[in-house]
Amino acid sequence: AQSVTQLDSQVPVFEEAPVELRCNYSSSVSVYLFWYVQYPNQGLQLLLKYLSGSTLVKGINGFEAEFNKSQTSFHLRKPSVHISDTAEYFCAVTPGGGYNKLIFGAGTRLAVHP
Amino acid sequence: GAGVSQSPRYKVTKRGQDVALRCDPISGHVSLYWYRQALGQGPEFLTYFNYEAQQDKSGLPNDRFSAERPEGSISTLTIQRTEQRDSAMYRCASSLEGGPFVEQYFGPGTRLTVT
Repeated sequence: AQSVTQLDSQVPVFEEAPVELRCNYSSSVSVYLFWYVQYPNQGLQLLLKYLSGSTLVKGINGFEAEFNKSQTSFHLRKPSVHISDTAEYFCAVTPGGGYNKLIFGAGTRLAVHP
Repeated sequence: GAGVSQSPRYKVTKRGQDVALRCDPISGHVSLYWYRQALGQGPEFLTYFNYEAQQDKSGLPNDRFSAERPEGSISTLTIQRTEQRDSAMYRCASSLEGGPFVEQYFGPGTRLTVT
């Protein structure tokens, strides 16, 4: 069965600093990988996804993620964060073969300080 | 256009009562998903509909939980004889069609508290 591990529950960072949110997955089959962001009192919003092709994926709001099959990782990065990036970030996987459900990690709370 | 809407946004109920949570997907979206999110955790899949057909209900925790989507649009998640452990955020998502490539759009959720 697939599972997703987000290694940091909270990441504090100063504004304009770079950030990396870590995500590892376990799967014996091909997977599709996603990062979602949740702002307070809102639904989850898709940041980016990896389906196939280039292992470096660019998303909205300046975020990017790199798929590393050998390390089964899909870490999210941003070179310079803003106060408005303060939110909860969820890594998710969906197995191939026609399944539709998303399997989420526990989330990482990113707190950007001035 | 309008996104996914859910009602009520907050529901407080006493243990043993039944509750019905509503999801109104984006117009024209064929697929609909229900997830449950406990405090401090990521969303956990409950069930999935393609049109009105419930294609996967493997995530429903027990037979007190049921869901329907009778006309292939609005969906209702019903929890019978609620227990305190049912307290969570219940999230609905819809997508234009099924399949892992298609983005799921999430609603704001219903916060259920069972006292």
